[in-house]
Amino acid sequence: KAGVTQTPRYLIKTRGQQVTLSCSPISGHRSVSWYQQTPGQGLQFLFEYFSETQRNKGNFPGRFSGRQFSNSRSEMNVSTLELGDSALYLCASSFSPTYEQYFGPGTRLTVT
Amino acid sequence: QKEVEQNSGPLSVPEGAIASLNCTYSDRGSQSFFWYRQYSGKSPELIMSIYSNGDKEDGRFTAQLNKASQYVSLLIRDSQPSDSATYLCAVFLTGTASKLTFGTGTRLQVTL
Repeated sequence: KAGVTQTPRYLIKTRGQQVTLSCSPISGHRSVSWYQQTPGQGLQFLFEYFSETQRNKGNFPGRFSGRQFSNSRSEMNVSTLELGDSALYLCASSFSPTYEQYFGPGTRLTVT
Repeated sequence: QKEVEQNSGPLSVPEGAIASLNCTYSDRGSQSFFWYRQYSGKSPELIMSIYSNGDKEDGRFTAQLNKASQYVSLLIRDSQPSDSATYLCAVFLTGTASKLTFGTGTRLQVTL
């Protein structure tokens, strides 16, 4: 069974730009969660989608948004990028919200 | 009090020894507990899940859960240099803000 895939793997953007990251979950998984990981803050929860509905949202500004499609694929968008948005963005999928989550390889975003 | 707490380490153990990693959590209603391993520059990898009090063994790994003490631990027997990584404890918090919450991780170093 194929794992979670994320595209792109690396991104370099300039302050003020916006970015869209994509995540394809494991086949059959309907729950997708997004996390931001930085050396100082660790793994921080961004949001979770289940059956195209946002179940929960972390403590991030409104510049961070996401959505989930009918095939369970998910995208997250960050608008008006700031230097502090430089991080590893991780997507994780699970069969349903309380089950084990499996992570993709991540997208490393660098904002200059 | 942090929702999920881990000692950041590093925890240094000699090859062949038992490594003991500990985690405490604040939400008494939590029902799902997970351990992830993360190598430097890689995404977290699920290695154990535990849902009920007691021990759960999988190969060289044993997860232990004590809900009364709000404590979960991971034992790694016959530690190998390849076990050197950061180990993340994750707890599925209940309530209206139910989400998987991660500790900051314990860095394990297995020395030759």
